[in-house]
Amino acid sequence: EAQVTQNPRYLITVTGKKLTVTCSQNMNHEYMSWYRQDPGLGLRQIYYSMNVEVTDKGDVPEGYKVSRKEKRNFPLILESPSPNQTSLYFCASRKDSSYEQYFGPGTRLTVT
Amino acid sequence: DQQVKQNSPSLSVQEGRISILNCDYTNSMFDYFLWYKKYPAEGPTFLISISSIKDKNEDGRFTVFLNKSAKHLSLHIVPSQPGDSAVYFCAARSVRNTGKLIFGQGTTLQVKP
Repeated sequence: EAQVTQNPRYLITVTGKKLTVTCSQNMNHEYMSWYRQDPGLGLRQIYYSMNVEVTDKGDVPEGYKVSRKEKRNFPLILESPSPNQTSLYFCASRKDSSYEQYFGPGTRLTVT
Repeated sequence: DQQVKQNSPSLSVQEGRISILNCDYTNSMFDYFLWYKKYPAEGPTFLISISSIKDKNEDGRFTVFLNKSAKHLSLHIVPSQPGDSAVYFCAARSVRNTGKLIFGQGTTLQVKP
């Protein structure tokens, strides 16, 4: 089954404690992205990757890091989480020539 | 600077009637537009798209209209069904940066039986 998986689905953590949210896709897609969804602001792109070792900033990259060492995986790293990073996070992937993105189920992060 | 705007946070329609969801954009370099639907506790799913070289695209009950001069697109759902109740996001891509998608704030559609 074609899918994008994210782990964990829910996470409560404290300010400053480094965390990683994993994302994996099994569709051999070139493009992968991370988004955060906040009330009244819709989905905002954090980072995206157009292929292995190729990443670029989205609209809200501050406080986040990503890496793309393998085509299927695109982890999101919060080196020092802060309460303003409390949000619902989505990973997504798509083929190079198609804009139909497939989204993961989301990760609800709370930073206290 | 919100480049893609969905000015109606919510919309309520009766089952069987038409639902019209609107989206405005400011960037004239946008060349591709998409609509996504999102149910609670799930990720968004792709619904329909339109290229800037077209002004209409249909897929079953869903039709997207693009008015480039007004920088406006709309999604029509006919007839609306209770299962269409969800949050709808429009998104746009710039020809200058194909890696980025800019999303609107979303419109919550409620279809009443």
